[in-house]
Amino acid sequence: DTEVTQTPKHLVMGMTNKKSLKCEQHMGHRAMYWYKQKAKKPPELMFVYSYEKLSINESVPSRFSPECPNSSLLNLHLHALQPEDSALYLCASSSPSAGTQETQYFGPGTRLLVL
Amino acid sequence: SQQGEEDPQALSIQEGENATMNCSYKTSINNLQWYRQNSGRGLVHLILIRSNEREKHSGRLRVTLDTSKKSSSLLITASRAADTASYFCATVRTGGFKTIFGAGTRLFVKA
Repeated sequence: DTEVTQTPKHLVMGMTNKKSLKCEQHMGHRAMYWYKQKAKKPPELMFVYSYEKLSINESVPSRFSPECPNSSLLNLHLHALQPEDSALYLCASSSPSAGTQETQYFGPGTRLLVL
Repeated sequence: SQQGEEDPQALSIQEGENATMNCSYKTSINNLQWYRQNSGRGLVHLILIRSNEREKHSGRLRVTLDTSKKSSSLLITASRAADTASYFCATVRTGGFKTIFGAGTRLFVKA
C-alpha cells in the first residue's frame, strides 16, 4: 500500500468553527508532514513529525494545532481560522534515514475554504 | 530565503516535443527531487538525484545536477497531453530535514 489518504477532500468553515483534517498512511513511514499550498504557489512546510514527535514547526499560528496519535495517523486541528488560511492542505510521509530526506509520498489534499 | 527557483514559470509546447525545466538553489544539498502536480491535487514524486550524481534517467525523464552551479534540469522527451501539470524541484539543505520547493513550472502540452 503506497497511498496516503486525506479526509475530508473539501471543507468549508466559518471563522468561529473548530474542525480537523486527517491523514493516514500504512507504509510504515515514521516521518509525516503538513504543507499549505496557495493557488499557483509551491507547497510550504508547516509541521514535521518524526517518530511521532514534533520535530519542525515553521512558526505556524497557534490556530493550527497538529497531532500525531500514532505512526500511521496525522491530524491538523483548526480553530478560529482566517479567510487567508483558505488553501490546499497537503499531508505527506517519508521514511527518514541517516538524517537525509528521502522521497515524500503525498496525499490528494484537503481544499479548505474559510468564510 | 527560497531554496529553489525554477524557470520558465510557464511552458507551452506541442505534443511530441521535448520540455526542459530548470531549477536553481542556494545552499549545499543532500539530494534534489522533482515532483509533478496535476491541477489541485497532491504531488507525485518523479525522480531523486543525489548530490554525488550528475545525471539520472527514468523512462522519458532525464535529470541533470550541477552542484558547482547549484542547478538542475528536468527534460521530458516526446511529451504527451497527459504531461500537462506543474513541476516542482525540491531540495533539502545538507544536514537539514526541511524540504523546500521551488516556485514551479507550469507545463501545458497541446494535443
